[in-house]
Amino acid sequence: QKEVEQNSGPLSVPEGAIASLNCTYSDRGSQSFFWYRQYSGKSPELIMSIYSNGDKEDGRFTAQLNKASQYVSLLIRDSQPSDSATYLCAVNNRGSYIPTFGRGTSLIVHP
Amino acid sequence: SQTIHQWPATLVQPVGSPLSLECTVEGTSNPNLYWYRQAAGRGLQLLFYSVGIGQISSEVPQNLSASRPQDRQFILSSKKLLLSDSGFYLCAWEGMNTEAFFGQGTRLTVV
Repeated sequence: QKEVEQNSGPLSVPEGAIASLNCTYSDRGSQSFFWYRQYSGKSPELIMSIYSNGDKEDGRFTAQLNKASQYVSLLIRDSQPSDSATYLCAVNNRGSYIPTFGRGTSLIVHP
Repeated sequence: SQTIHQWPATLVQPVGSPLSLECTVEGTSNPNLYWYRQAAGRGLQLLFYSVGIGQISSEVPQNLSASRPQDRQFILSSKKLLLSDSGFYLCAWEGMNTEAFFGQGTRLTVV
C-alpha cells in the first residue's frame, strides 16, 4: 500500500515569514513528486513538481526532495495571506500513471 | 493548450436518484483520465481511471460506475445515490510528466 503522509495542520505563520510544509512517502520506487494548492471549495492546482534530489525553486516556492529519507517539502518564502490554502503532496511511481495524494496541510498566513 | 471541463459545478440529489457527471478534455489526444472524490475533511480518493476508450479500472468497490464513450469524454454515473456519495468529485487528466490536472469539480450533496 503506497502511502503519502502530511501533517494536517493548520500551520499558522505570520505574513512575510517562511512556511515549511512536509511530506513523507512509503514507496521507495517513487519517481515523481508534486505539490498542489487547493483553496477552499476549489479544485487542486499544480504549483510545483520535482523529480531529482535537491532543491527546485520557482518564484517564492522551493521544493526539496530527499529520496534516501523519502521526504519532500515545500517552502514558501515571504508568505502572503493569499497563500492560505491546503497544500497537497502527490507521489507517482515510475510506470504508474496514478498519483497518490496525501491528505494535505492547511496553511494560514495571518497579517 | 489543454483544458478540462467538468459539469455541473454543484448538484443536490435525493437518496436513490441517479447520477451522471461529465468531463471533457480539449487540446490533447488519448489522455489518461481520472475520477477522484474528496469527502469533507478527507483526502483525494481515486475512484476510476481510464487509459483509453472503453477502458475503465475501478479502484474502490462502490455503487458508482464510469464510462469513456469517446477519447476525450469521461462520465461518472450511479443508478441509486447513497448519502455517503456526497462529496467533491474531481475529473483529472494526466500530463506528460504524470502530473494530474484537475477540472473545476462538482460539489455533490445527497439529501
